[in-house]
Amino acid sequence: QSALTQPASVSGSPGQSITISCTGTSSDVGGYNYVSWYQQHPGKAPKLMIYDVSNRPSGVSNRFSGSKSGNTASLTISGLQAEDEADYYCSSYTGSSTHVVFGGGTKLTVL
Amino acid sequence: EVQLVESGGGFVQPGGSLRLSCAASGFTFNSYWMHWVRQVPGKGLVWVSRIYTDGSTTTYADSVKGRFTISRDNAKNTLYLQMNSLRDEDTAVYYCARGLGIRVFDIWGQGTMVTVSS
Repeated sequence: QSALTQPASVSGSPGQSITISCTGTSSDVGGYNYVSWYQQHPGKAPKLMIYDVSNRPSGVSNRFSGSKSGNTASLTISGLQAEDEADYYCSSYTGSSTHVVFGGGTKLTVL
Repeated sequence: EVQLVESGGGFVQPGGSLRLSCAASGFTFNSYWMHWVRQVPGKGLVWVSRIYTDGSTTTYADSVKGRFTISRDNAKNTLYLQMNSLRDEDTAVYYCARGLGIRVFDIWGQGTMVTVSS
């Protein structure tokens, strides 16, 4: 069982916006502004999309944005494109000794 | 080009050992935390271990503590994961990742598959 809870799947049509949630506790998501999001296409390595809740690394499209409210973080993808179809994972800093936990992943389908 | 390339995966029987390597290029290797993250095919990502820039600090997930050892050779720009007493549940794709500190993984290798089975 993953420490952070994500919906198993979400879907949207091209051009639409979707939001993926990532729910934790006050010991991880809610306690720190250190949530990251990773995109993973089938058979490929994960790619960092968002870090520290809402920061985009250089080269990541501004269609990707992150936010947080309480113990839940969210990844929003606007102007959905076929290439966005992938698995998305959140992670958070945690006060435990391991310091990082992942969500179970969400499969995004572009209809 | 910033790149991480893993090697050393393969098939091993329960109780056996493997050593994974991760060759880094395109960045100042000794300036970054480095991590290992694994993924059972079709399942989610699980953090395994991390090592500080100079190798002085290492941390492990409870599931591998006492069996796996992370190390690095900054002269060779290479990260290692020595895996002993392997179990069926260690079967996964193992990724090395560059850390922005201890909590963000900004560059990932392509992964190497480890299969533990009798």
